[in-house]
Amino acid sequence: DAGVIQSPRHEVTEMGQEVTLRCKPISGHDYLFWYRQTMMRGLELLIYFNNNVPIDDSGMPEDRFSAKMPNASFSTLKIQPSEPRDSAVYFCASSSQFEETQYFGPGTRLLVL
Amino acid sequence: DQQVKQNSPSLSVQEGRISILNCDYTNSMFDYFLWYKKYPAEGPTFLISISSIKDKNEDGRFTVFLNKSAKHLSLHIVPSQPGDSAVYFCAANMRFGAGTRLTVKP
Repeated sequence: DAGVIQSPRHEVTEMGQEVTLRCKPISGHDYLFWYRQTMMRGLELLIYFNNNVPIDDSGMPEDRFSAKMPNASFSTLKIQPSEPRDSAVYFCASSSQFEETQYFGPGTRLLVL
Repeated sequence: DQQVKQNSPSLSVQEGRISILNCDYTNSMFDYFLWYKKYPAEGPTFLISISSIKDKNEDGRFTVFLNKSAKHLSLHIVPSQPGDSAVYFCAANMRFGAGTRLTVKP
């Protein structure tokens, strides 16, 4: 198994631009999570899905952030418009059971200038 | 609202000695706890977990202790090795602490 796949690995963009991060979870995993890591706040849960349905999006910072999971093998996290304070590493993770071990992707390092 | 807290941002120990990483939580309903290890430029990877029905779980050099009354858990690494140098995250209910950077000096 290839594990959780994220793309791109790095993204540099200018303030105001739209950013789309992509994630392919491990096949057969029913849960998908999006996290953001910053120096100040550590790993923050943004949103998670169960069977492609968003369950808890209370961690999404504001309306500029949106996430979708159109099918069991693909999810996107979109930021529109992006701002410099969105600069962080964004991780996608998946798991087969709720509260069980999560398998993380390598992350996308986002820099908004 | 940080429900999982790691108050020590960093820890440095000598190779062969014990490393103790601490974690506190606020929600008494949490019943399953995990530790993850993260190397630079990689995602966190699962290390060890503990259920609230236990107070100790051991896996090789790694032991996690849970004190439910204090809402506190700790990860012990004995003996510490330079390859253990990484950031360690405590997690419960999909919430992660801020992490502790462990440096093991040869």
